Amino acid sequence: QQQVKQSPQSLIVQKGGISIINCAYENTAFDYFPWYQQFPGKGPALLIAIRPDVSEKKEGRFTISFNKSAKQFSLHIMDSQPGDSATYFCAASMEYGNKLVFGAGTILRVKS
Amino acid sequence: DAGVIQSPRHEVTEMGQEVTLRCKPISGHNSLFWYRQTMMRGLELLIYFNNNVPIDDSGMPEDRFSAKMPNASFSTLKIQPSEPRDSAVYFCASSLRPERSTEAFFGQGTRLTVV
Repeated sequence: QQQVKQSPQSLIVQKGGISIINCAYENTAFDYFPWYQQFPGKGPALLIAIRPDVSEKKEGRFTISFNKSAKQFSLHIMDSQPGDSATYFCAASMEYGNKLVFGAGTILRVKS
Repeated sequence: DAGVIQSPRHEVTEMGQEVTLRCKPISGHNSLFWYRQTMMRGLELLIYFNNNVPIDDSGMPEDRFSAKMPNASFSTLKIQPSEPRDSAVYFCASSLRPERSTEAFFGQGTRLTVV
């Protein structure tokens, strides 16, 4: 059973554009929602994370929007750059479990 | 800190052989996770340890897979006998619990090919 659904599978954005990746979850016990970035040949690395007590979190060009009632969250990458080209994973976990459940991933390509 | 260290980075083995993957977590971290990444199934949690004790191994696919953590600085994932469908990238990750932050730091992975 897929607990975190991620879309789109792939995304092509022009340099300077906005990249948007969406995720939806089912388990209302989740209370930690991170996004991981993975470059080829590397392990995933934490990009930004949010807890459900806030609706938005921004770090530089990266913003997470969180809609608790809809059980959805999204990643927005503003002013996308070629260096942002990577695979992005949303994930979810319960506070004391720390078992990350990952979405299927989105391959982002930013064209220069 | 050097981060989570995994070895080997690449492993090619013949079907039926035993394979052992190794992981050294970040010093001071007390939770360790083994994930498997494939194109078909994405990133799957296989097993995780807290304070060297296996907490949840429900993701371990079969009895052919086993994991140990004899001390806080070392863990192994063993596959015996290996099969072609075990070909994947295996990641080890560690984190510090029970801190508020649940960030998991991943190693660079071991790419396993079973022929």
